[in-house]
Amino acid sequence: EAQVTQNPRYLITVTGKKLTVTCSQNMNHEYMSWYRQDPGLGLRQIYYSMNVEVTDKGDVPEGYKVSRKEKRNFPLILESPSPNQTSLYFCASSTGTSGSADTQYFGPGTRLTVL
Amino acid sequence: AQKVTQAQTEISVVEKEDVTLDCVYETRDTTYYLFWYKQPPSGELVFLIRRNSFDEQNEISGRYSWNFQKSTSSFNFTITASQVVDSAVYFCALNKAGNQFYFGTGTSLTVIP
Repeated sequence: EAQVTQNPRYLITVTGKKLTVTCSQNMNHEYMSWYRQDPGLGLRQIYYSMNVEVTDKGDVPEGYKVSRKEKRNFPLILESPSPNQTSLYFCASSTGTSGSADTQYFGPGTRLTVL
Repeated sequence: AQKVTQAQTEISVVEKEDVTLDCVYETRDTTYYLFWYKQPPSGELVFLIRRNSFDEQNEISGRYSWNFQKSTSSFNFTITASQVVDSAVYFCALNKAGNQFYFGTGTSLTVIP
């Protein structure tokens, strides 16, 4: 089954404790992306990657890191989480390259709470 | 600058009424893509439609229709004969080929039985 998976689905942590949210897709997509969703703000893009070893900042990259060492994986790293990073996080992938923007397929979301 | 505005934060309609969700976008690019996504109460994001900037034809899919007007930078979404299952948050999004996506803040639609 074609899908985007995220782990964990729920996470409660404390300020400053490094964490990683994994994202994996099995559709051989070039484009992958991370979003955060907050009430009243919609979805805001954190980082995106158009291919292996290529990553770019979105609207709200501060406090986050990503890496794209393999095509299928795009982990989101919070080196020192803070309470303002409490949010619902979505990973997405698509076949989009520089020539087109294809439909994004979203993972199920990760609910992160930073105390 | 790229921007998507969904001015309607919340809409409530009675079942079987028609409802239009507005989306206004800003971009200086001549090639771009517009999307609508649905987020039901269960939380997942469901793709509804993708439209490129060169295709201004309106589209109809069952009870759903989309009106794309470049002259007013709008990409509105109409649900005809709404049903309770249409209750969800709807997001409009803008993308320049392969690059950053810009989402609106969403419109929460409640269909009352």
